[in-house]
Amino acid sequence: KAGVTQTPRYLIKTRGQQVTLSCSPISGHRSVSWYQQTPGQGLQFLFEYFSETQRNKGNFPGRFSGRQFSNSRSEMNVSTLELGDSALYLCASSLGTNEKLFFGSGTQLSVL
Amino acid sequence: AQSVSQHNHHVILSEAASLELGCNYSYGGTVNLFWYVQYPGQHLQLLLKYFSGDPLVKGIKGFEAEFIKSKFSFNLRKPSVQWSDTAEYFCAVNEYAGKSTFGDGTTLTVKP
Repeated sequence: KAGVTQTPRYLIKTRGQQVTLSCSPISGHRSVSWYQQTPGQGLQFLFEYFSETQRNKGNFPGRFSGRQFSNSRSEMNVSTLELGDSALYLCASSLGTNEKLFFGSGTQLSVL
Repeated sequence: AQSVSQHNHHVILSEAASLELGCNYSYGGTVNLFWYVQYPGQHLQLLLKYFSGDPLVKGIKGFEAEFIKSKFSFNLRKPSVQWSDTAEYFCAVNEYAGKSTFGDGTTLTVKP
């Protein structure tokens, strides 16, 4: 069974631009969540989708948004990029509520 | 809001030494508890989890953790570490649907 796939692996953007990250969950997993990982902040929860509905959102500004498609694939969008948005963005999928998370390799975003 | 504290940011041990990594959480209700591990160059992966029942849970590679409800703790232990245990360890709490709160992580370095 294929794991969680995130694309692209690396991304370099400049301030003010926007970016879209993609995540394909493990087949059969309906929950997809996103995390921002930085050396100083650890893993910070961004949001979680289940069956195309956002169930929870973390404490991030509205520039961070996401969506989930009917095939459970998810995208995350960050608009008006800031230098502080540079981080590893991790996607995780799970079968459902309160199940263990399976993580992807992440997208390393650098904002210059 | 839920918070998770991991007491040690960096632990250095020699092979065969015993390991205990502390984890405390703030939520007083029913929680699901996890330890995840990230080996160098690899994805985050589940080490062990506690949902209910026996508060002493066993995970992969000889790790175990004890849930002490009165202390809001879920400490990770291993009697004898190996060089291959060098990794970053994250404690996580899932208090409601779809959202996991992670600690800042503990980097374990095992000297051969």
